[in-house]
Amino acid sequence: RKEVEQDPGPFNVPEGATVAFNCTYSNSASQSFFWYRQDCRKEPKLLMSVYSSGNEDGRFTAQLNRASQYISLLIRDSKLSDSATYLCAVNPPRGFKTIFGAGTRLFVKA
Amino acid sequence: DADVTQTPRNRITKTGKRIMLECSQTKGHDRMYWYRQDPGLGLRLIYYSFDVKDINKGEISDGYSVSRQAQAKFSLSLESAIPNQTALYFCATSDLTGQGGEQFFGPGTRLTVL
Repeated sequence: RKEVEQDPGPFNVPEGATVAFNCTYSNSASQSFFWYRQDCRKEPKLLMSVYSSGNEDGRFTAQLNRASQYISLLIRDSKLSDSATYLCAVNPPRGFKTIFGAGTRLFVKA
Repeated sequence: DADVTQTPRNRITKTGKRIMLECSQTKGHDRMYWYRQDPGLGLRLIYYSFDVKDINKGEISDGYSVSRQAQAKFSLSLESAIPNQTALYFCATSDLTGQGGEQFFGPGTRLTVL
């Protein structure tokens, strides 16, 4: 089993749709969690950190479910500019090596 | 100016050649990382360094070596390139906050080994 797994997609959604991605992790003692966005042929950039209490930034909401060992990213009112690959990232306990998922591709269509 | 830079941005080379990819950062971070990205496999850690005297292997270090010349510079070498090292290579940095916070990536080097 991979340490961090994501549905690769692609997710094809119309503008204005709500879309959600999940990411599962295998180490129950993992400490910190992130969502990164990566545009085609570009570097990943942090979209948001994921806190135990969940967090929201505009149209984006991230949540952590420790019991089921997954994190989620919800995008509301999708824009064309949201089209990208979304990578989840997990930091294991006592480790400083972030483990990245393979990414979920999102295409938002007009 | 970009905080994390990589050179070259693109490189085509032949099997058996020695290649060096360079990374520089102006963020003042102690931690630096080299990843490769392949379609469907995501980012895989090659080497990482927590300071100039600390170098650690990642999950796929075979065929690679690194040098941390200064806090701001971290180079990746392929001593004898082979075609399955064709990939997109990213350098990244992070600071000492907590157990590893946000990572800041360079723009990437696209390497093709023929």
